[in-house]
Amino acid sequence: AQTIHQWPVAEIKAVGSPLSLGCTIKGKSSPNLYWYWQATGGTLQQLFYSITVGQVESVVQLNLSASRPKDDQFILSTEKLLLSHSGFYLCAWSPGLGGTETLYFGSGTRLTVL
Amino acid sequence: GDSVTQTEGPVTVSESESLIINCTYSATSIAYPNLFWYVRYPGEGLQLLLKVITAGQKGSSRGFEATYNKETTSFHLQKASVQESDSAVYYCALGYGSSGNKLIFGIGTLLSVKP
Repeated sequence: AQTIHQWPVAEIKAVGSPLSLGCTIKGKSSPNLYWYWQATGGTLQQLFYSITVGQVESVVQLNLSASRPKDDQFILSTEKLLLSHSGFYLCAWSPGLGGTETLYFGSGTRLTVL
Repeated sequence: GDSVTQTEGPVTVSESESLIINCTYSATSIAYPNLFWYVRYPGEGLQLLLKVITAGQKGSSRGFEATYNKETTSFHLQKASVQESDSAVYYCALGYGSSGNKLIFGIGTLLSVKP
């Protein structure tokens, strides 16, 4: 069975500080990977997706970046946090078989920027 | 543009009552959108509840049902008799294969079921 693990569960960070969020998928080779974000009171938005190691596509510009250093790992980061980065971040994977796929989500990271 | 509008919560119902959470969508740039309901139970991650890929079809799971109605651009979630364990946040979403399997979500509806 496939599992997805996101870390950390929650973060409280200062404006201007760096950030790194991660997720790991086990039990599935070459998945498509995604980062989603939900601001308080807002909708979940897709930020990035990746269909293979080393390749990441940006969907929404939020002064964040993402990387996929390994087949099973997806990292979201920034060197300088903004207040507007606060919210709930979700990592997800899909099988990568083509067509419109079901996404499977992690438990999320709650980020508070002060 | 492409968007999803759903019942704004919180919604509170008593156990064994019926439930409907409304969802309508706009898919102006998507020829054949797929429709989803995702659910987030307290303390857990977002998980798929049901999915329908063809207009006119009905999806069902855990006693919940939703019918993909292309004429009314709706995908309402219904359950005849809710249980306390159904308390969760429900998200309607439309999805398409371009842009890396993009899902466009509604705002989410918090459902509280009273015992």
